[in-house]
Amino acid sequence: DSGVTQTPKHLITATGQRVTLRCSPRSGDLSVYWYQQSLDQGLQFLIQYYNGEERAKGNILERFSAQQFPDLHSELNLSSLELGDSALYFCASSVQWRARNEQFFGPGTRLTVL
Amino acid sequence: DQQVKQNSPSLSVQEGRISILNCDYTNSMFDYFLWYKKYPAEGPTFLISISSIKDKNEDGRFTVFLNKSAKHLSLHIVPSQPGDSAVYFCAASETGANSKLTFGKGITLSVRP
Repeated sequence: DSGVTQTPKHLITATGQRVTLRCSPRSGDLSVYWYQQSLDQGLQFLIQYYNGEERAKGNILERFSAQQFPDLHSELNLSSLELGDSALYFCASSVQWRARNEQFFGPGTRLTVL
Repeated sequence: DQQVKQNSPSLSVQEGRISILNCDYTNSMFDYFLWYKKYPAEGPTFLISISSIKDKNEDGRFTVFLNKSAKHLSLHIVPSQPGDSAVYFCAASETGANSKLTFGKGITLSVRP
C-alpha cells in the first residue's frame, strides 16, 4: 500500500459526459501528479500540482482540468468525454516538486467511456 | 516521440536465474532514472533509482546500471523469483525542471518456477 488513495476504482460513463476523479496523496506529500495509461501505452504525464499550485503540464487536453485543494487532495475533471478517453488514470505523490523524488502511485481509476 | 524506450515487450526467465531488463533514452537532459514494477489492477510500485552521477545502484536483489554515453540503463534481478512476474517500467526525469516522469511502455517479465 503506497498510501495514495484514488476513488472511484472503476467508472463507466457515456460519451459527452463529465466525470471527476479524486486523489489523496500520502501523508506529508505536497506534490500530486496525474498520469494516463491508455491501451498499449506507457504512463503519460498529464499535470502536476504542488501545495495547491499548478507546477507543470504535459499533454493534457483542454477538456481536462485539475486542481489541488487546501487539504492537498486533488481532483481531475474530464469533460465532453470521448471513446478515446477510456484509460487508466493514476495519481502519484511526492514530498517535493523538484526532480530526484520518487513518486508513489495510487491504485488508479479505470475509466470506460461507452 | 518516445523519449524512453523499452524495446522488448516481454521477457521469460527461469526461477533462480538472472533477469535483465533494458531501457534506452534519447533525451540527454535526463539525469535521474527510476524503475517501477506493476501488478495487474495495482498502481506502479517504486523499485530502485539511479542518478546520472553514478553508474550503478544496488538494493538487495535489484541492481540498476547506467551507461550515459550509450543512453542506456538496465535492471538486473538476481535471483529471479516467481513473485517478480510483473510489468516493469523504466522512467526518467530532468533536474532543474519539474519532477514529471517520462515512462517507457513497459516490459512484461515472467519468471517460470
